Amino acid sequence: DAGVIQSPRHEVTEMGQEVTLRCKPISGHNSLFWYRQTMMRGLELLIYFNNNVPIDDSGMPEDRFSAKMPNASFSTLKIQPSEPRDSAVYFCASSPGATRQYFGPGTRLTVT
Amino acid sequence: GESVGLHLPTLSVQEGDNSIINCAYSNSASDYFIWYKQESGKGPQFIIDIRSNMDKRQGQRVTVLLNKTVKHLSLQIAATQPGDSAVYFCAENSGYALNFGKGTSLLVTP
Repeated sequence: DAGVIQSPRHEVTEMGQEVTLRCKPISGHNSLFWYRQTMMRGLELLIYFNNNVPIDDSGMPEDRFSAKMPNASFSTLKIQPSEPRDSAVYFCASSPGATRQYFGPGTRLTVT
Repeated sequence: GESVGLHLPTLSVQEGDNSIINCAYSNSASDYFIWYKQESGKGPQFIIDIRSNMDKRQGQRVTVLLNKTVKHLSLQIAATQPGDSAVYFCAENSGYALNFGKGTSLLVTP
């Protein structure tokens, strides 16, 4: 089992550019989560999908953030336009139910 | 300028000693609890979990204790090793999601 796969692992971009983060959950898991981790705020839940449907996006900071899950094996988190304050590590996690979540290695985003 | 961030509690232990990391949770209705370990540059990694119908669960070198009366969770690591140095997070379920604590930094010294 390859675990949760995220790409890219590192992203450096300029303010105003569009950023797309990608996630492949563990096969068979029906729940997918996007988190953001910063020194200031710790680990924050951005959005939760169940069976490819967004259930709770109340953690998404603002309209510049959007997430999609077109099928059970792929999800994207997009930031457009990006700002320096979006710099953080973004984690994707998947789960077979309302219990243990399996985290990916994260994408370290730096917006200059 | 100086950056201000979360000031994680830090526990420093000597190699070979036992470590105890504590966590207070907020929701008395939570029925599932979990501990994660996060090493520098990596994602949180599952350590052990426990349901509310139990008060103790043991794994390999780790034990989780749950006290529902005072809403307290602890993680005990036996014979702490340098590889145990990491940030440890507790989490409680909240419906479909997990509420994560702020984390405790464990530093193992030789």
